[in-house]
Amino acid sequence: AQKITQTQPGMFVQEKEAVTLDCTYDTSDQSYGLFWYKQPSSGEMIFLIYQGSYDEQNATEGRYSLNFQKARKSANLVISASQLGDSAMYFCAMREDENFNKFYFGSGTKLNVKP
Amino acid sequence: EAGVTQFPSHSVIEKGQTVTLRCDPISGHDNLYWYRRVMGKEIKFLLHFVKESKQDESGMPNNRFLAERTGGTYSTLKVQPAELEDSGVYFCASSGLAGGPGNEQFFGPGTRLTVL
Repeated sequence: AQKITQTQPGMFVQEKEAVTLDCTYDTSDQSYGLFWYKQPSSGEMIFLIYQGSYDEQNATEGRYSLNFQKARKSANLVISASQLGDSAMYFCAMREDENFNKFYFGSGTKLNVKP
Repeated sequence: EAGVTQFPSHSVIEKGQTVTLRCDPISGHDNLYWYRRVMGKEIKFLLHFVKESKQDESGMPNNRFLAERTGGTYSTLKVQPAELEDSGVYFCASSGLAGGPGNEQFFGPGTRLTVL
């Protein structure tokens, strides 16, 4: 079974609006970490935000926030006030503490920000 | 500080040929990882080095793939002989022993491999 599911292959958002990218995960571990990475057209993968399974507060990093709903096993990325430079692929990832160094990724969401 | 670098950025080879991909991790990072993304699919873990030792190679598809990290610095991933299904983007990542709170991995830009 897939560990990370991203159901939106592509999304459009108007510049300056907020957008939510969906991510659900599957694990039986009690301790795990959730990540979001951005991949612009230049190819590099940029780490955006991290949420630990025991963190009670949703993680925030500038315009990025992670809407963590543990019971639903979802870790959606919210980008506020979208900018043209946010157009990119976005990957959700998880690591389980049983194997701290192995990341599981989703298939990605292509976000296009319209001017 | 230089990030993770990969060479080449793009490789086009014919089925049956050999290709070697190189990854230079961030200086001082003991952990090095290889991942692969086949078109439109998820990024999949291939293997993990700690220094020169293979810690986990559970994701390596078959014995046509050989990864090395002599001296614990850069790593190479050789595909021999290449098959059509090997086409995809090969990512390398590295992390320090301590890492950040989440032990985030720092990724290179990837090598796009096309097997014709």
